[in-house]
Amino acid sequence: TQLLEQSPQFLSIQEGENLTVYCNSSSVFSSLQWYRQEPGEGPVLLVTVVTGGEVKKLKRLTFQFGDARKDSSLHITAAQPGDTGLYLCAGAQGGKLIFGQGTELSVKP
Amino acid sequence: NAGVTQTPKFQVLKTGQSMTLQCAQDMNHEYMSWYRQDPGMGLRLIHYSVGAGITDQGEVPNGYNVSRSTTEDFPLRLLSAAPSQTSVYFCASSYSGQGRTEAFFGQGTRLTVV
Repeated sequence: TQLLEQSPQFLSIQEGENLTVYCNSSSVFSSLQWYRQEPGEGPVLLVTVVTGGEVKKLKRLTFQFGDARKDSSLHITAAQPGDTGLYLCAGAQGGKLIFGQGTELSVKP
Repeated sequence: NAGVTQTPKFQVLKTGQSMTLQCAQDMNHEYMSWYRQDPGMGLRLIHYSVGAGITDQGEVPNGYNVSRSTTEDFPLRLLSAAPSQTSVYFCASSYSGQGRTEAFFGQGTRLTVV
């Protein structure tokens, strides 16, 4: 059983569409991160959210941390083919990072 | 800046062979971890370390050993390779402070056990 559940696992959309990826857990995390991974590479950190209710924006990407610090969402506005990749959420418990299963996003031109 | 360096990038082993995956970081981070990545499973934690001389098990530790004699190095040993250990392995070095933990990953090692 995954401690962090991500949904959807796969998403295929057309360029210009909006999308939201969810990351849910029954556990509280001291912080939550979102990573993006391209084929053949290691994950790269996009953002860290720390405070319940926090919202962070990174160009067309909006990240939100739930009030109870158990869940998070990633919203992409007007997706581009360059957004294609595997998106992973990770929750911090002490020094450990626990990852969700990932969301494989494909944006078609 | 090198960041996290993993070697080798690719490896093929026969069942029963042993090997060590190397990981080194130059960011002076206290925390280091090993993950394996399998399709549809995300990253699963094998072992982690909160400092030199201190290691602990993650979700899937069986068949793997680690040690942390220095802050910089965190090798992962496969004692007797099995086909179920075919996977992509990632080493991560983490900064933890001010309420946040942020990880930096190596390029990965693609291991095939035949």
